[in-house]
Amino acid sequence: AQSVTQLDSHVSVSEGTPVLLRCNYSSSYSPSLFWYVQHPNKGLQLLLKYTSAATLVKGINGFEAEFKKSETSFHLTKPSAHMSDAAEYFCVVSEYNFNKFYFGSGTKLNVKP
Amino acid sequence: GAGVSQSPRYKVAKRGQDVALRCDPISGHVSLFWYQQALGQGPEFLTYFQNEAQLDKSGLPSDRFFAERPEGSVSTLKIQRTQQEDSAVYLCASSTLAGGPHEQYFGPGTRLTVT
Repeated sequence: AQSVTQLDSHVSVSEGTPVLLRCNYSSSYSPSLFWYVQHPNKGLQLLLKYTSAATLVKGINGFEAEFKKSETSFHLTKPSAHMSDAAEYFCVVSEYNFNKFYFGSGTKLNVKP
Repeated sequence: GAGVSQSPRYKVAKRGQDVALRCDPISGHVSLFWYQQALGQGPEFLTYFQNEAQLDKSGLPSDRFFAERPEGSVSTLKIQRTQQEDSAVYLCASSTLAGGPHEQYFGPGTRLTVT
């Protein structure tokens, strides 16, 4: 069975400081993992995805994530937060056969000036 | 190009009414998904279509929920005799290929409020 745990429901950082959003997954086989971002009144947008290639994945807007099988983690990071990064972020594990997505409960990122 | 569109964007229904939510996927996308997102939660899978075939409906919460995609493009999610617990945002997503893992492209959602 697949599941995702996002360890923080809210994260607050100052503009220009690093961002860390934590995600742990459970999967019965080699997983595919995604991070999506949801801005208010906007649709979910893909940030990045891991599909068993390089374990360090680079995405849009300076975000990256590292797949660590031993820790069953896929944490999202960014070196320097920008005000426009304020949004809700979802970690997702995909079921291989039908590509059914299992979402975490989301982490709301607040960026302070 | 055009993304996934959904209509209506907002729907208010009185308890007991039937509603129909429409999804227009990206042209040519084989796979189509419906998700339900309750307030403060992540989206949860409802059902999956590959072209016109509904291959997985394991997430539909009750037999009041019904989805169709008769010509393999536009899809409709129908909820009969709506209940207050049906209040949520309903998201549609499409994907270019069958199987996985592939990026899913999401629409803006339909916010359903049952009063």
